[in-house]
Amino acid sequence: QQQVKQSPQSLIVQKGGISIINCAYENTAFDYFPWYQQFPGKGPALLIAIRPDVSEKKEGRFTISFNKSAKQFSLHIMDSQPGDSATYFCAATNSGGYQKVTFGTGTKLQVIP
Amino acid sequence: NAGVMQNPRHLVRRRGQEARLRCSPMKGHSHVYWYRQLPEEGLKFMVYLQKENIIDESGMPKERFSAEFPKEGPSILRIQQVVRGDSAAYFCASSLAGATYNEQFFGPGTRLTVL
Repeated sequence: QQQVKQSPQSLIVQKGGISIINCAYENTAFDYFPWYQQFPGKGPALLIAIRPDVSEKKEGRFTISFNKSAKQFSLHIMDSQPGDSATYFCAATNSGGYQKVTFGTGTKLQVIP
Repeated sequence: NAGVMQNPRHLVRRRGQEARLRCSPMKGHSHVYWYRQLPEEGLKFMVYLQKENIIDESGMPKERFSAEFPKEGPSILRIQQVVRGDSAAYFCASSLAGATYNEQFFGPGTRLTVL
């Protein structure tokens, strides 16, 4: 089943706090897990991505944690800022020769001052 | 330094009309992907094209929908005889090559409203 489940649907975090978004997948053929950030009226933009051979990847305030055995991965946004307010999508794809991306349902993040 | 261009940005059609959505990939990109986003949902893959070829159309409805990416000009997603359920945001993305780890760059989307 080509599904990626994402939670929560919405999230409100105080400025400076940690935002955590969780995803789970079923298809063990998935081997690349990108996260996208989407602002209203815009297309998604790649934020950070991870391959299953590592358990964590950090880029600035954004960290992906990956648990291959549980088929789960999560995005942590440290020191959340109002400018981080956006919708975040986890996604997954497999090395089938091209990047057919399966998206989660999205998390609408609001960071309040 | 233009990114992926899509037009129109907003399109209103009445039931039964045709909708044509255009996508110009980034310069040098020859791979195009179309996705559909229903309200409050994630993006769903529709079709993957290379120049003059449809590689994977497994996510595209068999009827009324078609896509092309001609040798010259933009990629076109065509919806015939639109129905209210076609109302959605349609995004295209392009990549430099088709391999998995090549980033897809998304356009701003076309928001289709069917009255």
